[in-house]
Amino acid sequence: SAVISQKPSRDICQRGTSLTIQCQVDSQVTMMFWYRQQPGQSLTLIATANQGSEATYESGFVIDKFPISRPNLTFSTLTVSNMSPEDSSIYLCSGESQGGGNYGYTFGSGTRLTVV
Amino acid sequence: GQNIDQPTEMTATEGAIVQINCTYQTSGFNGLFWYQQHAGEAPTFLSYNVLDGLEEKGRFSSFLSRSKGYSYLLLKELQMKDSASYLCAATDYNQGGKLIFGQGTELSVKP
Repeated sequence: SAVISQKPSRDICQRGTSLTIQCQVDSQVTMMFWYRQQPGQSLTLIATANQGSEATYESGFVIDKFPISRPNLTFSTLTVSNMSPEDSSIYLCSGESQGGGNYGYTFGSGTRLTVV
Repeated sequence: GQNIDQPTEMTATEGAIVQINCTYQTSGFNGLFWYQQHAGEAPTFLSYNVLDGLEEKGRFSSFLSRSKGYSYLLLKELQMKDSASYLCAATDYNQGGKLIFGQGTELSVKP
């Protein structure tokens, strides 16, 4: 299965600033997704990152707050814009791979964001 | 849309067997996944079921009944290191292949 490198692994940011999180996959994946996981909770899907076009956002998430890029099949970024303490969370990217007879979703190691 | 339910927490004894249930509702079911997540780490893949029946993989097995919208994860010979959150997730072909998670079951294994 694909291996996803995500960075930064953690950051502490000032409110009002923005942070861009990057995910690099070691092989082509058909779909990439961005999730948020707040303390003690499960994963909530933010958006589907579409290669070469605008991301598809879930209810409650908007492009102005969480702009996403996916310039090719192995790389995507999520920006958390104009941050507030409520954005403190873990952000994870995921890739869906169907190569080699294996089907599954792999996750990056996550970015632990603290906004102060 | 999708709705996925699982118990929020369970406790079991080292060496025992535990079954974590998950029910789901999707308009276009396309597979069910189980993930394990230790605190502070990313989810790791455990199993994938798309057809009815039991899939066994070492100490872990996963079962699916599509007609009942039901799955379970069975953990045998529990070890302390199995203490983690277990996430049930489903995909729906009407939802573009998104993986949607249940709220997770926090399993505590006690000596």
